[in-house]
Amino acid sequence: GQNIDQPTEMTATEGAIVQINCTYQTSGFNGLFWYQQHAGEAPTFLSYNVLDGLEEKGRFSSFLSRSKGYSYLLLKELQMKDSASYLCAVRDGDYKLSFGAGTTVTVRA
Amino acid sequence: TAGITQAPTSQILAAGRSMTLRCTQDMRHNAMYWYRQDLGLGLRLIHYSNTAGTTGKGEVPDGYSVSRANTDDFPLTLASAVPSQTSVYFCASSDSTSDTQYFGPGTRLTVL
Repeated sequence: GQNIDQPTEMTATEGAIVQINCTYQTSGFNGLFWYQQHAGEAPTFLSYNVLDGLEEKGRFSSFLSRSKGYSYLLLKELQMKDSASYLCAVRDGDYKLSFGAGTTVTVRA
Repeated sequence: TAGITQAPTSQILAAGRSMTLRCTQDMRHNAMYWYRQDLGLGLRLIHYSNTAGTTGKGEVPDGYSVSRANTDDFPLTLASAVPSQTSVYFCASSDSTSDTQYFGPGTRLTVL
């Protein structure tokens, strides 16, 4: 099976930066996704990496190192609305998504 | 556009009863998926369909069945519900298997 690890919880202050790490071991690799999920809602797409390096999209950036089986999601200038769960998902060789258990980020005033 | 809709929003079901969760998308996406989400386990794939008329088993297919008679609809059926099927169920779709998946609002199912 697939193995995707990310921290369970993180807490940060409004305006700060938080980095959520994700390590993975999968059968084949066809991209890594980050989703945001607010409590009681559906996951929504944040970012996609298939090549090594950094992808920046506004306040959010995602990094991938395929050789290390490692990614991180960087959230800058944190806002209260960023309090949510962040899901790391890897698309394997069969183009199926496997998800980590999610990291709950709490932003404090 | 509506995107993906799911029904019902929530349901309480007696063990042994059958139930069909509905999923409809209006984006003309070819691929559709059913996941369950349980605390501490993340999203797990139940069944998928790469295109209308075809279906496949995911990571946790036992106790569930699906059909894909047309592009828009992908119902998930529990033939005889058990308490371990208590979960939040999400339907998702993507234009193809190599594209980003987009999720419906979910169905919260409780089996007693």
